[in-house]
Amino acid sequence: AQTVTQSQPEMSVQEAETVTLSCTYDTSESDYYLFWYKQPPSRQMILVIRQEAYKQQNATENRFSVNFQKAAKSFSLKISDSQLGDAAMYFCALTGTASKLTFGTGTRLQVTL
Amino acid sequence: DTGVSQDPRHKITKRGQNVTFRCDPISEHNRLYWYRQTLGQGPEFLTYFQNEAQLEKSRLLSDRFSAERPKGSFSTLEIQRTEQGDSAMYLCASSLVGLGGTEAFFGQGTRLTVV
Repeated sequence: AQTVTQSQPEMSVQEAETVTLSCTYDTSESDYYLFWYKQPPSRQMILVIRQEAYKQQNATENRFSVNFQKAAKSFSLKISDSQLGDAAMYFCALTGTASKLTFGTGTRLQVTL
Repeated sequence: DTGVSQDPRHKITKRGQNVTFRCDPISEHNRLYWYRQTLGQGPEFLTYFQNEAQLEKSRLLSDRFSAERPKGSFSTLEIQRTEQGDSAMYLCASSLVGLGGTEAFFGQGTRLTVV
């Protein structure tokens, strides 16, 4: 079985500042992918960033980057230069060979002026 | 193709009634997934198809739930004899498997309220 744990139900960041969202996971598979999805209020879930477990280099997408610690089974998301549009629920997710996603419970990110 | 679309967006039904939701995936995607999301929780896997074959069903999918994907295109999710506990957002996602493409694209969901 796969599990994903997000221990921060809510986070707040000031505009232009940096915030880090935490995620830990567990899986018995050796080949897997990790994702961060963003779900704005009443809008569809969109992919923010993905990481292949076999890659040691941390993924980066513009202002979004991850800190992937495979041995610790940790996968945190760093958002730099936070913008008002970053306010949303963020879900950490894991998939293995079956390609079905296992999600965490989410972190609600507030961005303040 | 503008992405994954779901219909209806909202559904209110009385307990005991049957409901059916539709999902149209991205056209070239061969995998289609159904998830259920309750308030304050992350989506939970229900079932998935590869083309027209239903490959896996979660234990969450009771006998009252049935999903189909005829001809490997759109999919329907039917809930029979709805219960208040079925109230949730039902999400559909699709992906292209085989090119390292394990990224899933989600629709906007169907919000079901059972009264």
